[in-house]
Amino acid sequence: EDQVTQSPEALRLQEGESSSLNCSYTVSGLRGLFWYRQDPGKGPEFLFTLYSAGEEKEKERLKATLTKKESFLHITAPKPEDSATYLCAVQGGNNDMRFGAGTRLTVKP
Amino acid sequence: NAGVTQTPKFQVLKTGQSMTLQCAQDMNHNSMYWYRQDPGMGLRLIYYSASEGTTDKGEVPNGYNVSRLNKREFSLRLESAAPSQTSVYFCASSAQLGGAETQYFGPGTRLLVL
Repeated sequence: EDQVTQSPEALRLQEGESSSLNCSYTVSGLRGLFWYRQDPGKGPEFLFTLYSAGEEKEKERLKATLTKKESFLHITAPKPEDSATYLCAVQGGNNDMRFGAGTRLTVKP
Repeated sequence: NAGVTQTPKFQVLKTGQSMTLQCAQDMNHNSMYWYRQDPGMGLRLIYYSASEGTTDKGEVPNGYNVSRLNKREFSLRLESAAPSQTSVYFCASSAQLGGAETQYFGPGTRLLVL
């Protein structure tokens, strides 16, 4: 069965303090690994799709990387507006989408 | 474009009552999904529809039914609500980009069953 585990559950950073969020996965026939941002009381907002090991994608202060077992979301010099819950999901060969429980990021000014 | 819209935003039900959650998308996507999100757990798929006229069960379908009314609309029905169905429900639609289905979510419906 496909599984996605995100760590840490919560992360508190000072503004400007770079860090990484982890997403470990097991899936049969990876079709894609997704990162979403979710603000309180809102639906998830799409950030990135990664398709194969070695792939990297960047958007502003965020950079997502992928290996055969895990993905990292690197946050460089975060700002308070980066505070949100970040969700990871995988789509396997059976087309099922499996989400992790998320990492709640708080960036203090 | 409004993207994915959901109604209602919030609903309180008594145990045993029924209700239908509505979802519509204006992105011309073929696939649509219903998820529930509970504290400390990831989004869990209830039902999905790969195209108009087809529906399939997801991870947690018990107690729910769905209807793909047309390409735009996908509704979720609770026939006899139970407190265990208290949750936030999200509808999504997807487009296939680069071999994987990228999903776009609505704002959610918060349901409380007393």
